[in-house]
Amino acid sequence: NAGVMQNPRHLVRRRGQEARLRCSPMKGHSHVYWYRQLPEEGLKFMVYLQKENIIDESGMPKERFSAEFPKEGPSILRIQQVVRGDSAAYFCASLSGTSHEQYFGPGTRLTVT
Amino acid sequence: GIQVEQSPPDLILQEGANSTLRCNFSDSVNNLQWFHQNPWGQLINLFYIPSGTKQNGRLSATTVATERYSLLYISSSQTTDSGVYFCAVVYGSSNTGKLIFGQGTTLQVKP
Repeated sequence: NAGVMQNPRHLVRRRGQEARLRCSPMKGHSHVYWYRQLPEEGLKFMVYLQKENIIDESGMPKERFSAEFPKEGPSILRIQQVVRGDSAAYFCASLSGTSHEQYFGPGTRLTVT
Repeated sequence: GIQVEQSPPDLILQEGANSTLRCNFSDSVNNLQWFHQNPWGQLINLFYIPSGTKQNGRLSATTVATERYSLLYISSSQTTDSGVYFCAVVYGSSNTGKLIFGQGTTLQVKP
């Protein structure tokens, strides 16, 4: 009965490189959310996806960030041309279809050098 | 948009003490969750409590939706309770929308 899986757990990128973060929701969950936690701050919503659809991307930065949740495979959060300000913990959550409770993965800690 | 405010921002307790954490929100909500972020950064689900009262061991929570607040009670605190406690809400026309987080209460339990 695996929970939400995220990988990698830690990712180091140099400025200008691309970062790809992966999230596999809990079994049977088809809604995925991405949140970002900047150092010493709370969590901020980024994007909400269902299979093959973006439902709400109101929290996504306008440039360099994109997300997808294909029919098969994990959800991907992609950050192009990373900058130091992208250094943060990125959390994925999936939604229980019965209780509407969100369950979080362990997060990916991105460090941009 | 909705405002979610948590108090106190910081709390230091001696092991064995009790505490109450508060979450105020500025609009009607569909869902409300409490989380514990442990010192390793993991977010642990504590309660899903849009209204009413729930208990789980030494922890309990109460949400009074009509008065727009929720309380998290920790009794007989232990050092492993240390970390940040977040309240988060979903509001608007759907109950599957994004969570809006408060800024958290940082709890330190001393032995």
